[in-house]
Amino acid sequence: DAGVIQSPRHEVTEMGQEVTLRCKPISGHDYLFWYRQTMMRGLELLIYFNNNVPIDDSGMPEDRFSAKMPNASFSTLKIQPSEPRDSAVYFCASRKGPGGELFFGEGSRLTVL
Amino acid sequence: SQKIEQNSEALNIQEGKTATLTCNYTNYSPAYLQWYRQDPGRGPVFLLLIRENEKEKRKERLKVTFDTTLKQSLFHITASQPADSATYLCAPARDAGNMLTFGGGTRLMVKP
Repeated sequence: DAGVIQSPRHEVTEMGQEVTLRCKPISGHDYLFWYRQTMMRGLELLIYFNNNVPIDDSGMPEDRFSAKMPNASFSTLKIQPSEPRDSAVYFCASRKGPGGELFFGEGSRLTVL
Repeated sequence: SQKIEQNSEALNIQEGKTATLTCNYTNYSPAYLQWYRQDPGRGPVFLLLIRENEKEKRKERLKVTFDTTLKQSLFHITASQPADSATYLCAPARDAGNMLTFGGGTRLMVKP
């Protein structure tokens, strides 16, 4: 299996621009998670989906952030408009079933100038 | 509020020694707790899961304990090697196990 695939691996953009991060979970996994990692705040859960339905988005920092999962093999995290404080590494992870290990992608490093 | 504490200072040990990392949590009772390893520039990788009714779990040179009274988990690496150098994250589960909240991680450096 190819594992969780994220794109882009690196993104540099200017403040105010729209950013879209993409994730392909492992086939057969029914849970998908978006995390953000910074030195100051560590690894924070933003939102998670079960069977393509958003279950908990309480970690989404504000309305500028939105996430979708149109089908079982694809999810996006969008930031519009982006701000310098959004600079971080964004991880997608997937899991089969309600418990057990998470499989993480390699992350998307976002830099907002 | 729920809080997870790991030693933010790096742990430096000599090759061959046992490394012990601590994870303390407050204001919730996780059904299980997981440990992950993260290398620079990579995503976290799962190592071990321990359930609330288990006191100890082992996997090769790794050992995890879970004390629900103290609200603490200890992670041990015996006969440590330079290749064990990484950041180790603990993640107690919440919300019936659906959500994992991660501690800040402890960086381990094993010197030859």
